[in-house]
Amino acid sequence: NAGVTQTPKFQVLKTGQSMTLQCAQDMNHNSMYWYRQDPGMGLRLIYYSASEGTTDKGEVPNGYNVSRLNKREFSLRLESAAPSQTSVYFCASSGADPSYEQYFGPGTRLTVT
Amino acid sequence: RKEVEQDPGPFNVPEGATVAFNCTYSNSASQSFFWYRQDCRKEPKLLMSVYSSGNEDGRFTAQLNRASQYISLLIRDSKLSDSATYLCVVDQAGTALIFGKGTTLSVSS
Repeated sequence: NAGVTQTPKFQVLKTGQSMTLQCAQDMNHNSMYWYRQDPGMGLRLIYYSASEGTTDKGEVPNGYNVSRLNKREFSLRLESAAPSQTSVYFCASSGADPSYEQYFGPGTRLTVT
Repeated sequence: RKEVEQDPGPFNVPEGATVAFNCTYSNSASQSFFWYRQDCRKEPKLLMSVYSSGNEDGRFTAQLNRASQYISLLIRDSKLSDSATYLCVVDQAGTALIFGKGTTLSVSS
């Protein structure tokens, strides 16, 4: 099993460009998450999906949209990238509900110039 | 008060030392507690869950004190490979998980 996979691993965008970060899990988990991690800030939740067909805002949702395409896939879209969105983005998944332990993908390092 | 607080360190210890990390959390309704490990430029990985009765996994021991809203992680006989950042993680009353900013450990020979 691959666990949680993310694409791309690295990306450089210009201000105003858009892109979609892809995430997939093969553990049959119900819940999926998107976090960003910045130096000195720790992991901050952007959006999560407790089950297929539902999404909810986390701590820092502004500037992002998400789609829970099916049980396996959860994508994060930046419609108009800003330098403040330069960060490392992690996708995670968990079993029964959001209070269970989460398993992370390898991350996407995004730079917005 | 921040939801999950940890001493950022760094903790610099020699191989073979015993080191303890502490974490406090603010939500008394929290039910799930974990320690994660994160290596430099890598994703966080689950180290162990923390149970009310305390639990041990090899050289690692985790304790929970609900009355004081306090979690600890003890590492015995430290190895070079234990060098990493350790994240304290607490659920937000059955909803999302809240991650502490982490405590950095550096083990030297």
